[in-house]
Amino acid sequence: GAGVSQSPRYKVAKRGQDVALRCDPISGHVSLFWYQQALGQGPEFLTYFQNEAQLDKSGLPSDRFFAERPEGSVSTLKIQRTQQEDSAVYLCASSAQGYGYTFGSGTRLTVV
Amino acid sequence: QKEVEQNSGPLSVPEGAIASLNCTYSDRGSQSFFWYRQYSGKSPELIMFIYSNGDKEDGRFTAQLNKASQYVSLLIRDSQPSDSATYLCAVNIYNQGGKLIFGQGTELSVKP
Repeated sequence: GAGVSQSPRYKVAKRGQDVALRCDPISGHVSLFWYQQALGQGPEFLTYFQNEAQLDKSGLPSDRFFAERPEGSVSTLKIQRTQQEDSAVYLCASSAQGYGYTFGSGTRLTVV
Repeated sequence: QKEVEQNSGPLSVPEGAIASLNCTYSDRGSQSFFWYRQYSGKSPELIMFIYSNGDKEDGRFTAQLNKASQYVSLLIRDSQPSDSATYLCAVNIYNQGGKLIFGQGTELSVKP
């Protein structure tokens, strides 16, 4: 596609629910990144894929967070048993070279 | 100490003036530096990147890097109201793949 596509755009979850956030990167982009952005803060790194391999997941805040990219294209970020502190904008980005990347529009998650 | 620090602002400048945005970083292994612009409610978009000490100019934007002082800045000449946004500084660290560490962002307001 022309850009990085994320869905849903907005998600409201009840505390304790599981959610799945989708990212469709720019076609042919090898590298894919997930970031979490709290209100008034810069994006915080969560995890990074090169093709289907998850090379760095050091930013995932807990074992409730899980990301996958099984065919090296679309990626899903899953959050189990959501908590209020998970409320944030989740940004996906992709890159052909690994940095200087293009962000998607993000998914705004609100846990109530 | 945060790895990447920015003055959160807001920084207010009159239309037509030069806006100067500053960023310091702590890791001497930092090898490439990025400036992103983020409008309210939107995702970050890449403005400029710089790898080498000195200045890099692109239109009204100039990035300046001083690795000895661990300092990177962004100058915006002839500031326009449309430049009003949050500016994010980001750093890529050697041997950490494409992962970027972001500052908290500086809010810029250009007054007509």
